[in-house]
Amino acid sequence: NAGVTQTPKFRILKIGQSMTLQCTQDMNHNYMYWYRQDPGMGLKLIYYSVGAGITDKGEVPNGYNVSRSTTEDFPLRLELAAPSQTSVYFCASRLGQVGNTEAFFGQGTRLTVV
Amino acid sequence: QQQVKQSPQSLIVQKGGISIINCAYENTAFDYFPWYQQFPGKGPALLIAIRPDVSEKKEGRFTISFNKSAKQFSLHIMDSQPGDSATYFCAASPVAAAGNKLTFGGGTRVLVKP
Repeated sequence: NAGVTQTPKFRILKIGQSMTLQCTQDMNHNYMYWYRQDPGMGLKLIYYSVGAGITDKGEVPNGYNVSRSTTEDFPLRLELAAPSQTSVYFCASRLGQVGNTEAFFGQGTRLTVV
Repeated sequence: QQQVKQSPQSLIVQKGGISIINCAYENTAFDYFPWYQQFPGKGPALLIAIRPDVSEKKEGRFTISFNKSAKQFSLHIMDSQPGDSATYFCAASPVAAAGNKLTFGGGTRVLVKP
């Protein structure tokens, strides 16, 4: 039972470098989300998607991009990494049916920008 | 603007004691209120959730109390155990809105001493 899988688990980037955080789910969920978690700040929504080909900005989208070409995959792209992007990133998914609301999270990617 | 405020930030309780975590929200469109539990190095996992049509929901040692008029809800952990030591997040979302986006509180780190 894979659920939501994120790769890599850890990454160190230099300022100005780019990278893609991978997220895949095998539950056939329509809705997918990217959150960042900073100490003492809870989880902030970066981007979300309600289905393949449809994405929208969350609360803190600046410096990030996403795509959703398939139901399973929702990669998050960081362009020109900055120290402010040092955080733990979580991908989540939900079935997306009315009344079905449980969100499932991956184990996270810890990113450090130096 | 933080729409869900959570307190306290941290909590120490003796084994067998009661842990109480409080949350307050602003958006009256919220109609789904989950609590997530997160262990170090793991993603958040759904613990218990409530809809505003009930004032209390109990699952084992975990109880949510909900006060719609005050726009507040709380998590009570009865007979706290060392295995309950984790970070707890309250959250809220409007179920009928596009994406069912969850807004999280800042988290409470609970330590249960044996």
